Amino acid sequence: DQQVKQNSPSLSVQEGRISILNCDYTNSMFDYFLWYKKYPAEGPTFLISISSIKDKNEDGRFTVFLNKSAKHLSLHIVPSQPGDSAVYFCAASASGTGKLIFGQGTTLQVKP
Amino acid sequence: DSGVTQTPKHLITATGQRVTLRCSPRSGDLSVYWYQQSLDQGLQFLIQYYNGEERAKGNILERFSAQQFPDLHSELNLSSLELGDSALYFCASSPRRAGGYDEQYFGPGTRLTVT
Repeated sequence: DQQVKQNSPSLSVQEGRISILNCDYTNSMFDYFLWYKKYPAEGPTFLISISSIKDKNEDGRFTVFLNKSAKHLSLHIVPSQPGDSAVYFCAASASGTGKLIFGQGTTLQVKP
Repeated sequence: DSGVTQTPKHLITATGQRVTLRCSPRSGDLSVYWYQQSLDQGLQFLIQYYNGEERAKGNILERFSAQQFPDLHSELNLSSLELGDSALYFCASSPRRAGGYDEQYFGPGTRLTVT
């Protein structure tokens, strides 16, 4: 049973445009959500997070939106840059538990 | 550089053997987490330690065990290795017990190949 799903395995975007990565979850106990970026042969790098008391969090070019009723979150990258090309994982946790539940990842390619 | 270190970077061993993976958390972080990333399973949580005590357990096999030492470094022991144990093993750390909202910082991983 996959509790966190990223239904798009890959996404290709032109440099300077917006990248939108999507994530759905099923467990209503999740109240903290994170996005990680991963390059080959490296560990995941933390990008941005959001708690369930918010519906939006911004950090520079990265914005995460949370729709609790739809159990859906998205990561917007504006403007996209070639260096953003990587695998993006969304993750979720329930407060009081340490473990992160990860989606399968979306490979983003930003074309110059 | 996340500040989390893992050794070794690569490990090749035979079925039936035992290996130990080592992790040093970021300075000041008390929680250490272990994750396994295999091709077909994605990133799976194995176990968490907080300040030397086991805090949470995921889908960790009985052949696997971990511990966190007084200096807060952690070791993941994998025994009776099988071909299916070949994977990337990541360690992550965070400052607190995870009662609050803590992001976890990941090390570069250890790639284990069982032949």
